[in-house]
Amino acid sequence: NAGVTQTPKFQVLKTGQSMTLQCAQDMNHEYMSWYRQDPGMGLRLIHYSVGAGITDQGEVPNGYNVSRSTTEDFPLRLLSAAPSQTSVYFCASSWDRVNGYTFGSGTRLTVV
Amino acid sequence: EDQVTQSPEALRLQEGESSSLNCSYTVSGLRGLFWYRQDPGKGPEFLFTLYSAGEEKEKERLKATLTKKESFLHITAPKPEDSATYLCAGDMDTGRRALTFGSGTRLQVQP
Repeated sequence: NAGVTQTPKFQVLKTGQSMTLQCAQDMNHEYMSWYRQDPGMGLRLIHYSVGAGITDQGEVPNGYNVSRSTTEDFPLRLLSAAPSQTSVYFCASSWDRVNGYTFGSGTRLTVV
Repeated sequence: EDQVTQSPEALRLQEGESSSLNCSYTVSGLRGLFWYRQDPGKGPEFLFTLYSAGEEKEKERLKATLTKKESFLHITAPKPEDSATYLCAGDMDTGRRALTFGSGTRLQVQP
């Protein structure tokens, strides 16, 4: 099993550019979520999904879009990148929430 | 507002020196309290889930406990390989169906 796969691992964007961070899991998990991690601030929830076709906003959703057309994939779209979006992004998935989430290895994004 | 707070922010121990990390939470209904370990440049790795006050779980030198207001991660006779950031997170009955994280404790164990 690959678990949760995030691509790319590193990305540099110019201000105003758009891009999609990919997240795929092969465990048939219903719950998926995106977090960003900044120094000293822990992980903050951006968007989450409770199944295909169902998404909702987290704590810091502004500037990000998501969709969930399949159980396996949960891409995160940056609409117009800003320096404040420089961060490490983690995707996570879970079968039932209470038995643990599996995290990907992260995408380190720099916006210049 | 649901909140998870961890202390201390950083902890430096000598090898073999036992200690505890604290995670306090104020939530409307707790489904589960999670502990994760995170190594530099990697994603969080699941350690424990605790469901109810009084529950305890152990894994090697780590033991997690839960009360109605806080959780402790006890580290007994730590080794340098236990050095990492330890994250606490809550999963709530109401509101967002995802984890709410504390800011973590950076643990350094010196030989």
